[in-house]
Parts: sequence; C-alpha cells; structure tokens
Amino acid sequence: EAGVAQSPRYKIIEKRQSVAFWCNPISGHATLYWYQQILGQGPKLLIQFQNNGVVDDSQLPKDRFSAERLKGVDSTLKIQPAKLEDSAVYLCASSFKFWGQETQYFGPGTRLLVL
Amino acid sequence: QKEVEQNSGPLSVPEGAIASLNCTYSDRGSQSFFWYRQYSGKSPELIMSIYSNGDKEDGRFTAQLNKASQYVSLLIRDSQPSDSATYLCAVNIGPYGGSQGNLIFGKGTKLSVKP
Repeated sequence: EAGVAQSPRYKIIEKRQSVAFWCNPISGHATLYWYQQILGQGPKLLIQFQNNGVVDDSQLPKDRFSAERLKGVDSTLKIQPAKLEDSAVYLCASSFKFWGQETQYFGPGTRLLVL
Repeated sequence: QKEVEQNSGPLSVPEGAIASLNCTYSDRGSQSFFWYRQYSGKSPELIMSIYSNGDKEDGRFTAQLNKASQYVSLLIRDSQPSDSATYLCAVNIGPYGGSQGNLIFGKGTKLSVKP
C-alpha cells in the first residue's frame, strides 16, 4: 500500500513570497490533516478535512494560510505571503477508522525555509 | 490552553536497559492517547495507542495510562540503538473516543540508546 505522498520535499523562499504544498493521501482515507512542525516542537494541527469539507481550521492563520481539498482526495496548502516564522516542516497525514479506532499516517513532510 | 507536557531530554540509556518516557496532559476530558516515534529528519510514526487506564503491551513497548493523575508513559524494554529517536506523546482533546482528530502533541523526548 502506498503511503501519504507530499511534494515538494524541500523549499527555500524569501519572505513575502508565496508557496504551495501538495499532499496525496492514502487511497480510501477520508480524513486529511495538515500539521506544522517547528524545529524542536511537536506537530501542530493547522487544518483537518473530512472528505472535501473542513472539520477544524481553528489554528490556521487565515490571513496568510489557505488550504483546499478538491474532490475529497488531494490537498494543497498555500502560504501567501510567507514570513520568517513560517520556516518549519509541513506534514500531511491521512487516517481511516477501523473498529471505531482511528490511525493517522504521516507523509514525509515538506521542509520550508523562509529567508 | 490545553497542553501536553514532556521532558525534552535527552534521555540516555545503555543498550538492553529499560527506557521510561513520561507525559502529562491538562485536559481531563481527553479520551485517547498515542505515542509516536520520530527519527531525525523523518515523519512521526505511530507506535502505541491507549484508551483505558492500565497497561498495554506490544512487543518491547508498554504504554501506561492513569487518567486520574492525567499521566501517560511509555516503557521500552531491552532498548536498542535503533530505538534512538524523539518520542512524541499525543492526546486527543475531542470527545471522539477512538478518533485521532484534534490531536495535541507534546514537544517530544529525545532518547539516546548507547551501545
């Protein structure tokens, strides 16, 4: 079974530029998450999708971050304009429920450096 | 502010010893608890989940949960150098039972197993 795919793996941009990340979840996983992991910290949830609807985006900085999940499969996360403090690893995860228990599987992440 | 606290370490143990990792959480209503392992430069990988008070064993790993004390721990028996990684404690703060939505992660404890 293929895992969660993300691209690009690395990105370096200057502040005030825009950037987009792409995620393809595991086939059949209805729930998709975007996390931000700053060096030395645990992942922080940015947004959660159930199919193509948003379940939780309470921690998404909506003035600069946006995300969509068209057709309930692939998802993109965009930052516009980027700030220095956005330098982090952006992790995508997808999940499924089995016997009432849900397991999240993480992709390899996109490392963003904002200069 | 709902929080998950972990000792950042590093925790150093000799090969073959028991490594004990601890985590406390602030939300008394939390229902689901998870331990993730994250190798340097890699994405988190789920190693244990626990939902009820007591111990849960899986191979060399034992998760322990005490909801009254708001405390969850992970024991690694017969520690191996390959166990050297950062261990993230994650707590589900939603009333979803087995759902992993709304996970709050701790900062992680770095474990080093010396040959």
